[in-house]
Amino acid sequence: DTEVTQTPKHLVMGMTNKKSLKCEQHMGHRAMYWYKQKAKKPPELMFVYSYEKLSINESVPSRFSPECPNSSLLNLHLHALQPEDSALYLCASSQDYVSHGYTFGSGTRLTVV
Amino acid sequence: GNSVTQMEGPVTLSEEAFLTINCTYTATGYPSLFWYVQYPGEGLQLLLKATKADDKGSNKGFEATYRKETTSFHLEKGSVQVSDSAVYFCALSDQNTGNQFYFGTGTSLTVIP
Repeated sequence: DTEVTQTPKHLVMGMTNKKSLKCEQHMGHRAMYWYKQKAKKPPELMFVYSYEKLSINESVPSRFSPECPNSSLLNLHLHALQPEDSALYLCASSQDYVSHGYTFGSGTRLTVV
Repeated sequence: GNSVTQMEGPVTLSEEAFLTINCTYTATGYPSLFWYVQYPGEGLQLLLKATKADDKGSNKGFEATYRKETTSFHLEKGSVQVSDSAVYFCALSDQNTGNQFYFGTGTSLTVIP
């Protein structure tokens, strides 16, 4: 299995809703990432988990809450989002050394209404 | 610090034309360099990579050579196809800065029949 699987592929949520994005990989990668990508822009790093511990939080608002239940799973919990949070949310994973590159999931297209 | 500079797009080419997308970088250490491709509505896919100076990465007819003397990693393809229409991102990783990628701004390529 050489994939990163993200669910759901599309999500529409109201500003008072609570939802979660899920990401799964079975490549034995020990680092996992959440990125946010707006249209026609490069991905922006949100969070990095290394060996299931949060190692980087790029000053992301608290309405985004990451969770890494085990080495294969990564969640992003969403609460009280704003319309400007609408974007493509990408999960990625990598081996210890990023010289091998990231493997990205296909993303969750989030729309906040 | 680390950064990647990519040529501005969008780029429009006729089928079978030669493609070059320029990418230059700055890095504090010895980075690995990557090209990622993003097709419409999808996540990022690793296209090719090079981990040390003078390495050439290649895949699907695309090539890029890691040039330390010019700090460049230009993407080339001899004959583009309509199916190559996508956004291309140049990126680097540097072990000195942990598990983090630095992306260029992306170059949109449209190939017309």
